[in-house]
Amino acid sequence: ETGVTQSPTHLIKTRGQQVTLRCSSQSGHNTVSWYQQALGQGPQFIFQYYREEENGRGNFPPRFSGLQFPNYSSELNVNALELDDSALYLCASSPGSSPHGYTFGSGTRLTVV
Amino acid sequence: AQSVTQLDSQVPVFEEAPVELRCNYSSSVSVYLFWYVQYPNQGLQLLLKYLSGSTLVKGINGFEAEFNKSQTSFHLRKPSVHISDTAEYFCAVHILTGGGNKLTFGTGTQLKVEL
Repeated sequence: ETGVTQSPTHLIKTRGQQVTLRCSSQSGHNTVSWYQQALGQGPQFIFQYYREEENGRGNFPPRFSGLQFPNYSSELNVNALELDDSALYLCASSPGSSPHGYTFGSGTRLTVV
Repeated sequence: AQSVTQLDSQVPVFEEAPVELRCNYSSSVSVYLFWYVQYPNQGLQLLLKYLSGSTLVKGINGFEAEFNKSQTSFHLRKPSVHISDTAEYFCAVHILTGGGNKLTFGTGTQLKVEL
């Protein structure tokens, strides 16, 4: 059974640019949730995708958007990057929309300069 | 609004000593409670969770936690820590009604085990 894979592991972007982060969900999981973890903070919920539809969103602006594909992998897109977007972005897959069965990936460390 | 408070940002402890990491939550409705561990440059790993039943929950790596509804607490304990337990620990809550399908995390407690 494969776990959750995120790519890339690290990247550096310039303010104003756009970025796409990717997540491959664990086998058998149809739901992907994205979290942002700023330095020294706990993870903050961005949004969840369940069977290719957005199924809940946290307090993040519309420049944070996502997609889920038929194989349940997912992308997180961030437009017009700001310095405060620098963080560890975590993806969690689960076998349903409940957060009780999360499996987290190792994250993507995004640095905006 | 729900929140999770982890009262200690850092907890230093000697190897083989007991440890307690504190977590309090605020919610007027039923909650589910979780503890996760994060090792450097890694994602989150579930230690244990309380969904229902016995208020004493046993998890992996010898950790346990007790749900106390009257004190709205879910403190994490281990009777004897090891160097390998050095990590960041996060308490999280899922609000059953109106909270959506998400976890709300505390700010974390850095456990540092020393020889």
